[in-house]
Amino acid sequence: DIVMTQSPDSLAVSLGERATINCKSSQSVLNSSNNKNYLAWFQQKPGQPPKLLIYWASTRESGVPDRFSGSGSGTDFTLTISSLQTEDVAVYYCQQYYSTPYTFGQGTKLEIK
Amino acid sequence: QVQLVQSGAEVKKPGASVRVSCKVSGYTLTELFIHWVRQAPEKGLEWMGGFDPEDGETIYAQKFQGRVTMTEDTSTDTAYMELSSLTSEDTAMYYCAASVDYFDSWGQGTLVTVSS
Repeated sequence: DIVMTQSPDSLAVSLGERATINCKSSQSVLNSSNNKNYLAWFQQKPGQPPKLLIYWASTRESGVPDRFSGSGSGTDFTLTISSLQTEDVAVYYCQQYYSTPYTFGQGTKLEIK
Repeated sequence: QVQLVQSGAEVKKPGASVRVSCKVSGYTLTELFIHWVRQAPEKGLEWMGGFDPEDGETIYAQKFQGRVTMTEDTSTDTAYMELSSLTSEDTAMYYCAASVDYFDSWGQGTLVTVSS
């Protein structure tokens, strides 16, 4: 199984500042045949299902604000929120969909400092 | 736009089984792959199983092998997840999610509580 490890577990950032969340996979999730990284990022607010933010490691889902961006390849990935807003307070998860079982990271709780 | 609507909350006794449904609209079930993810209280997301396009069949996480069954009724575009031999550790929110590759649509969740 591919193990997904996020860091940090929790993060407090001031409004308007940058937030960075890291995700590391225990093996590569890059498919060399199509050069795509099978890595997604989700946002989950209390009482709500997860919401897709980023797929293919760096493609923003329709309707997601452009302050959210994803980067990385192979085994190391990053979710960046360029200017934190109050509505961004949530738990963020990375997930690999390269091979079953489709594993998630443990989550990163993002709060306002 | 895919919409997934799940069945309502359930309370079950230890040892019982539960079946959760997930009604698809906006697309047909034959156009999507359905997965099931659960989340214990104050815990993270755990993939239980779903259709693997590489294998062409439904794959279950090893943890749930022998205890979970995922089925689909294409005539009503409804997916089902049945979990048997419930214990208190199965108390969780259960989500269905739709994918072609990535999980882009999620149901609202079904809370399953296991209590004597």
